[in-house]
Amino acid sequence: GNSVTQMEGPVTLSEEAFLTINCTYTATGYPSLFWYVQYPGEGLQLLLKATKADDKGSNKGFEATYRKETTSFHLEKGSVQVSDSAVYFCALSDNAGNMLTFGGGTRLMVKP
Amino acid sequence: SAVISQKPSRDICQRGTSLTIQCQVDSQVTMMFWYRQQPGQSLTLIATANQGSEATYESGFVIDKFPISRPNLTFSTLTVSNMSPEDSSIYLCSVETADRYGYTFGSGTRLTVV
Repeated sequence: GNSVTQMEGPVTLSEEAFLTINCTYTATGYPSLFWYVQYPGEGLQLLLKATKADDKGSNKGFEATYRKETTSFHLEKGSVQVSDSAVYFCALSDNAGNMLTFGGGTRLMVKP
Repeated sequence: SAVISQKPSRDICQRGTSLTIQCQVDSQVTMMFWYRQQPGQSLTLIATANQGSEATYESGFVIDKFPISRPNLTFSTLTVSNMSPEDSSIYLCSVETADRYGYTFGSGTRLTVV
């Protein structure tokens, strides 16, 4: 079956630091890959996505590249802000119109 | 993307009672999904709700505990029945986006069972 593994948190960074949150996946075929963000007390928001190999998803300074050879979709941001503090979820969809499979989530805390 | 209205946003319930969560979408969608997020955990799919047929439940979830209705293409409800403190979670509904390459989530229902 499908699975998503992402680095455990919490990840604590100072403002303007570089962020990487690792995500690897196991899936048959060619899944679509997503990063969702959950701010404190809120629901999930789609941050970015990539639907095929070598695609780069980007939004709000975050980016992730779909790497089929390494089955990875690492999230990066060059300079984090305090407002980026949230829980980040990597997820995949098997493109059969079916549900998302989520990673365990990584809590990011950015200190001023 | 579709806009999802989910309510209630939060509730505190007595054990043994039931709570029905509503999810309204501003456009017609084929499938709606219900997830559970236990405290500090990731999201787990409870079931997929198709209009006109019974919901499809994932392993570990049963209809008697989580009955789902899907009366039309824009609305669904999830009931958490005979609640216990272990049911304290955030429950979220989700739909596939129009381009079929993403999913939109409701804002969630934070349930506390005491």
